[in-house]
Amino acid sequence: AQSVTQPDIHITVSEGASLELRCNYSYGATPYLFWYVQSPGQGLQLLLKYFSGDTLVQGIKGFEAEFKRSQSSFNLRKPSVHWSDAAEYFCAAAPNTGNQFYFGTGTSLTVIP
Amino acid sequence: DAGVIQSPRHEVTEMGQEVTLRCKPISGHDYLFWYRQTMMQGLELLVYFNNKAVMDDSGMPKDRFSAKMPNASFSTLKIQPSEPRDSAVYFCASSFQASNQPQHFGDGTRLSIL
Repeated sequence: AQSVTQPDIHITVSEGASLELRCNYSYGATPYLFWYVQSPGQGLQLLLKYFSGDTLVQGIKGFEAEFKRSQSSFNLRKPSVHWSDAAEYFCAAAPNTGNQFYFGTGTSLTVIP
Repeated sequence: DAGVIQSPRHEVTEMGQEVTLRCKPISGHDYLFWYRQTMMQGLELLVYFNNKAVMDDSGMPKDRFSAKMPNASFSTLKIQPSEPRDSAVYFCASSFQASNQPQHFGDGTRLSIL
């Protein structure tokens, strides 16, 4: 079955430290991949997307993600986190020839001073 | 540009009452999605439309939930009768050209059923 897995329910990092949030997908073919961020009381905002081509994708707010086909992964990274990055992060996948969109269960990020 | 607009932002009502949630998608977007978010279940897709037609409503409880899209710029999600277990945040999202394209979310409606 098609699925998206975010192994980490909650992550805590210090402000200024680097960040990596994990995402794995289970699909027959490479899907379209997305990362969203949700701040408290708000909807999901698209950070970045991968459709094809360069496997390192740049997004908004200084985030990037790397697609690794061999690992079926699409991990989100940021070299130096800011207190304002504290939020819930969702990975999502959609087949490139289809009509379904799958969200992971989310990773909650806490940033400590 | 205006994003996806949902109303109301908050709704508190008593069990058994009818609840109507509203959504205005981004102009030109031809896909519209309704999601429900809870702590226990996370983000669940309830139903989605393409060009106003229901494409998949398998995630929506049919006995009490109904979704409509009478025109390209308006959709409703109705719950009748409402139950405490319906308490959640309901999100509307829209996308352009295909359901696998980036979805743009509204700020949600926080629904509390007492």
